[in-house]
Amino acid sequence: GAGVSQSPSNKVTEKGKDVELRCDPISGHTALYWYRQSLGQGLEFLIYFQGNSAPDKSGLPSDRFSAERTGGSVSTLTIQRTQQEDSAVYLCASSSGFRDRGAQVGELFFGEGSRLTVL
Amino acid sequence: QQQVKQSPQSLIVQKGGISIINCAYENTAFDYFPWYQQFPGKGPALLIAIRPDVSEKKEGRFTISFNKSAKQFSLHIMDSQPGDSATYFCAAERTGGFKTIFGAGTRLFVKA
Repeated sequence: GAGVSQSPSNKVTEKGKDVELRCDPISGHTALYWYRQSLGQGLEFLIYFQGNSAPDKSGLPSDRFSAERTGGSVSTLTIQRTQQEDSAVYLCASSSGFRDRGAQVGELFFGEGSRLTVL
Repeated sequence: QQQVKQSPQSLIVQKGGISIINCAYENTAFDYFPWYQQFPGKGPALLIAIRPDVSEKKEGRFTISFNKSAKQFSLHIMDSQPGDSATYFCAAERTGGFKTIFGAGTRLFVKA
């Protein structure tokens, strides 16, 4: 598809289990973000990948959270030993990473998110 | 210094009225200021954006006003419609591969 694809769209898990969330960015986009959004809340930044640079992990809330981006394309967000407070929608976004005068080349394209419910 | 402060947190406007959402930033290195619109169950999508070399940008009923000296920018929605009910996020970026910084969001409800 032409857009950012996230899977699964919904995930229900038991407390203490590990989960993996997948993001397929738009082809050719060098920048990739993960955000967390609790019900009715804002976008909580988690991690940012830009090309071959070291990822900005400053938003990861604990060492239970990790993410990788293989081959500069697909990204996986892993949450280990899930807790009830991890329940949220996890959004992925990608961008071409560059902006040109007059062009919205740096626009972030978001997926529809993965809704995680931890029981 | 990396923060973008957005207000109000929520806003209720009558149909046909003007919705105004404000944002302020500290880092003068920011050089691109987009606004994103998010409907329930969807990811945010770019609505309109401005560069600091202009003071205003208008696209249809949506206008960004930018005050470089005050380090503030705002979104105005003219003739607000119920279909505009959504969450709006302001953001700030700087050239060079730095991550986009988002405001906390404003939930807009337009009463019919």
